[in-house]
Parts: sequence; structure tokens; C-alpha cells
Amino acid sequence: GNSVTQMEGPVTLSEEAFLTINCTYTATGYPSLFWYVQYPGEGLQLLLKATKADDKGSNKGFEATYRKETTSFHLEKGSVQVSDSAVYFCALSDRNTNAGKSTFGDGTTLTVKP
Amino acid sequence: GAGVSQSPRYKVAKRGQDVALRCDPISGHVSLFWYQQALGQGPEFLTYFQNEAQLDKSGLPSDRFFAERPEGSVSTLKIQRTQQEDSAVYLCASKDSSGIYEQYFGPGTRLTVT
Repeated sequence: GNSVTQMEGPVTLSEEAFLTINCTYTATGYPSLFWYVQYPGEGLQLLLKATKADDKGSNKGFEATYRKETTSFHLEKGSVQVSDSAVYFCALSDRNTNAGKSTFGDGTTLTVKP
Repeated sequence: GAGVSQSPRYKVAKRGQDVALRCDPISGHVSLFWYQQALGQGPEFLTYFQNEAQLDKSGLPSDRFFAERPEGSVSTLKIQRTQQEDSAVYLCASKDSSGIYEQYFGPGTRLTVT
């Protein structure tokens, strides 16, 4: 079956530090990959996505590259801000399953201190 | 425009009670998903509708869980004879027919069974 493994948290960084959150996946088909963010008290929001190998998704200074050879989709940001404090979820949707139901990792909590 | 809404946002039920959780998807979205998110974990798939048809209910944990979407719009997730292990956040997501598996999530209903 499909699975997503994320770097365990929590992660605490100082403002302007470099962020990497690791994500690896196992999929029976050829998945699309996503990063979602959940701010305190809010619902899941799509942060970025990539639908094929070597695609780079980017949004709000965050980036992730779809690496089929290493089955990875690591999230990076060059300079984090306090407002980036949230829980980040890596997810995949397998095109071979019903309409792309998603499989999620367990989430990584990021706290950015001023 | 309006996003996915869910009600109630919080529900406390005594063990053995029945509960009904409502999801209003984005207008016109064909696909609707329900997920269960336990504390400290990622969302786990419960069931999927395409219009009014329930095409996948493989994630429903027991026959106490039942979902419906009779007119292809609003959906209700019903849990009968609630147990403590049902305590979780229940997330609804919707997707249109054109997005590449991009799902839009509601804020969730936090269910606590005492």
C-alpha cells in the first residue's frame, strides 16, 4: 500500500534560519505529491504540489522537488519567519486510486522563535 | 468564494451516543472525502463520494460509521454508539473535476467521546 514518512518533530528554529523537513514515500503507482500546512486553529491548506518526477513545487518561499529515484519530496525554505510556525504534512495521491484520495504523513510541528 | 465548511466545530458525546457531522463542500465540487485525524497524527482516509455515489468506503473503521451525500452536495458522517477511540478530528475535503487531486479542506469537527 501507500505510505508517507516524515521527519519527526518538533522542529524549533530561529528566525531567518534554513528549514528542511524530510519526506519519503512508498506508492504502488505514480503519485502526485503535496505539502499541506495547518496553522493553529485552522484547517489544512495546500502549500505546494508536484505531479511528476523532477517537478519543483513552490509557494511563499517554500520549495520541494519530486525525486522519483529517492522517492522523496523534502520541504525547504531559505529563511523562515515566525509566521511560518505551523504543522506541515507531506501527502501523496495515487492516480490509480479513486479520484486521488490522499495518504498523509504524521506531520512535523515547526516553531520559529524571534 | 466560500470554502468548505463543517459543523459543529466541536462535539462532546457520551459513550454510546450517536453523532452526526456535517460537511458543506465548495459549490460545484464533484468529489468529497472524509478523513479522521487522531491527535498527533496525519489525516487517515475514511470514505469518498463522487456526486451522490459513495465509491469508496474502505477506510471506515467499523459498521458504526456511516456517510451519505444524498443530493451530491452536503454530506453527513454519522457515528453510532460512539466509543472513546472515536475521539478525533473529522476532516472533510472537496475537489472539482479539473484539479490534479488538489483537495480543499474544511476546518474539521473535533469529536470528544467521554
